[in-house]
Amino acid sequence: DIQMTQSPSSLSASLGDSVTITCRASQPINTWLAWYQQKPGKAPKLLIYKASSLESGVPSRFSGSGSGTDFNLTISSLQPDDFASYYCQQYNSYSWTFGQGTKVEIK
Amino acid sequence: EVQLVESGGGLVQPGGSLRLSCAASGFTFSTYEMTWVRQAPGKGLEWISYISSGSASIYYAESVRGRFTVSRDNAKNSLYLQMNSLRAEDTALYYCVRGGWYAQYWGQGTLVTVSS
Repeated sequence: DIQMTQSPSSLSASLGDSVTITCRASQPINTWLAWYQQKPGKAPKLLIYKASSLESGVPSRFSGSGSGTDFNLTISSLQPDDFASYYCQQYNSYSWTFGQGTKVEIK
Repeated sequence: EVQLVESGGGLVQPGGSLRLSCAASGFTFSTYEMTWVRQAPGKGLEWISYISSGSASIYYAESVRGRFTVSRDNAKNSLYLQMNSLRAEDTALYYCVRGGWYAQYWGQGTLVTVSS
């Protein structure tokens, strides 16, 4: 099974900051990676698919990059609505694997 | 508008069974792959099972293989998860998800609690 290592597990940032979350796959997955945002008590929301494709309706301050084993989610200019947990997910095979999650908190 | 509404969760004793349902609307259900994902309280996300649009391909996570069975009824726009031999570690919020490669749409989840 492909393992996904996500870091950091949490971070504190201020409004307007740019933050980057990293996900590393245990073996190459091409660009078969998605990113989700989850707020407390809510279902996750798709942000990015195929490593860098922005889902319709998602603000352009969210961006994804990477291929192979190393991937990044960058949020430029943090907004109040962005304080949440974020998860990466690989779909190189029909056995999905999620990262452990990153909680983005207000500094 | 795409809607996925799960039902069937509840409290069950270890070793018991439950059948989850997911009612889909707002899209042509029969043409989409579907997936079940769960989230234990305060924990991360775990992929459980995948079913192709016509049910020809089905996959399970190792943690549930042999105990859970996914199925769908395209005529009823519904997805199901039969869960047998439930364990305490199966306690989680179970999400019905549209997509086989990534989760484009999620239901609100149905809570399964396995406890004596």
